[in-house]
Amino acid sequence: DTEVTQTPKHLVMGMTNKKSLKCEQHMGHRAMYWYKQKAKKPPELMFVYSYEKLSINESVPSRFSPECPNSSLLNLHLHALQPEDSALYLCASSQGPSGTGSLSETQYFGPGTRLLVL
Amino acid sequence: AQTVTQSQPEMSVQEAETVTLSCTYDTSESDYYLFWYKQPPSRQMILVIRQEAYKQQNATENRFSVNFQKAAKSFSLKISDSQLGDAAMYFCAYRSALPVSGATNKLIFGTGTLLAVQP
Repeated sequence: DTEVTQTPKHLVMGMTNKKSLKCEQHMGHRAMYWYKQKAKKPPELMFVYSYEKLSINESVPSRFSPECPNSSLLNLHLHALQPEDSALYLCASSQGPSGTGSLSETQYFGPGTRLLVL
Repeated sequence: AQTVTQSQPEMSVQEAETVTLSCTYDTSESDYYLFWYKQPPSRQMILVIRQEAYKQQNATENRFSVNFQKAAKSFSLKISDSQLGDAAMYFCAYRSALPVSGATNKLIFGTGTLLAVQP
């Protein structure tokens, strides 16, 4: 099973709202990722968690706050977003640094949360 | 830094025909992984095929196969017997195989090729 789930599927929020995106995987993966994707563009990496520790932050504005409560869950907390933050937010996971070969390096993506900021 | 180039923003193929999507990359590394991902409109990004750089044999997955030319740094995707469900954005991606202590390497994407399948 290579399933990554994300909730909600769609989210509309105002610029003063606080909301959270959730991502879950039960594949025993130890690396999890947040990406932002604009229409017809490749995903842009935002954050990487490795063994539940933040290992990469791609200079993302502080209005995006990631959290990894355990090895299966990844959250993205949103606060005071701007309209230009409207996008598809993708979560992905991979086996992580302890794996070997391309299988461990393969990222599996969730269906995404389509976010609209008004 | 590594880069991935997909020079065909859009392509079209007739149903049941064969189409090849091109991808080139630039790297000074000798060990890495290459991937093709498919993203249908408003749907999930899924892995199509993957290739380890140290393997000379081209990867195949049913109707999907790659032509991996390491010296030329080329990684094209061939779709045989195209089906309507193959219509999607296709992304080529590169990932270094160099070990990174306590972390993981980034996936570097090309800009994508939008494939239309004509009935």
